Amino acid sequence: QVQLQESGPGLVKPSQTLSLTCTVSGGSISSGSYFWSWIRQPAGKGLEWIGRIFISGDTKYNPSLKSRVTISVDTSNNQFSLRLDSATAADTAVYYCAREAVAVAALDSWGQGTLVTVSS
Amino acid sequence: DIQMTQSPSSISASVGDRVTITCRASHHISTWLAWYQQNPGKAPKLLIYDATRLESGVPSRFSGSGSGTDFTLTISRLQPEDFATYYCQQAHTFPFSFGPGTKVDI
Repeated sequence: QVQLQESGPGLVKPSQTLSLTCTVSGGSISSGSYFWSWIRQPAGKGLEWIGRIFISGDTKYNPSLKSRVTISVDTSNNQFSLRLDSATAADTAVYYCAREAVAVAALDSWGQGTLVTVSS
Repeated sequence: DIQMTQSPSSISASVGDRVTITCRASHHISTWLAWYQQNPGKAPKLLIYDATRLESGVPSRFSGSGSGTDFTLTISRLQPEDFATYYCQQAHTFPFSFGPGTKVDI
């Protein structure tokens, strides 16, 4: 049973970079059967898809985040990461990492989520 | 971008009720549609993918239908653990997008 776990600072200052890591256990991130994704949810609001990465390094991002977002993968540690530059208060949210099965195009495993607050 | 809408935004129901939630896409998405259940403080859980296919381990009282732009999630007999918020999500066109959610409460 694959498990995903987010980690990173819970507080980020405005204009700084928000960085999170997702550690995958119980399965290899190098599997060609999955995309590795980030989704966020502001308090009391809905879900926003941030982007995803495939083991080849191919990435897709939400244009709403413009050029601020980067997703990368670290196969040696079975992890993938999110970097969001120039953070603002609007980036305050619970951030989830998730696995998207290529065969079903749906997010079938999720981390528990981590709250990131952008504030001085 | 593809916009997803859901109706109703909330439903008041009782145990044993049949509940239907509708999701509409702003553009044709074939059956590239998934449904998720989210309980407060928890991550979403996949229920349905490819519009109609039940995820492994999900009770058979959940079912999905539809294609194109109009989709439905039905819970045949509501159980206490089903009181939650439900989201649809399209995976047809980037950026992927979610509906605003439907809260099912007592």
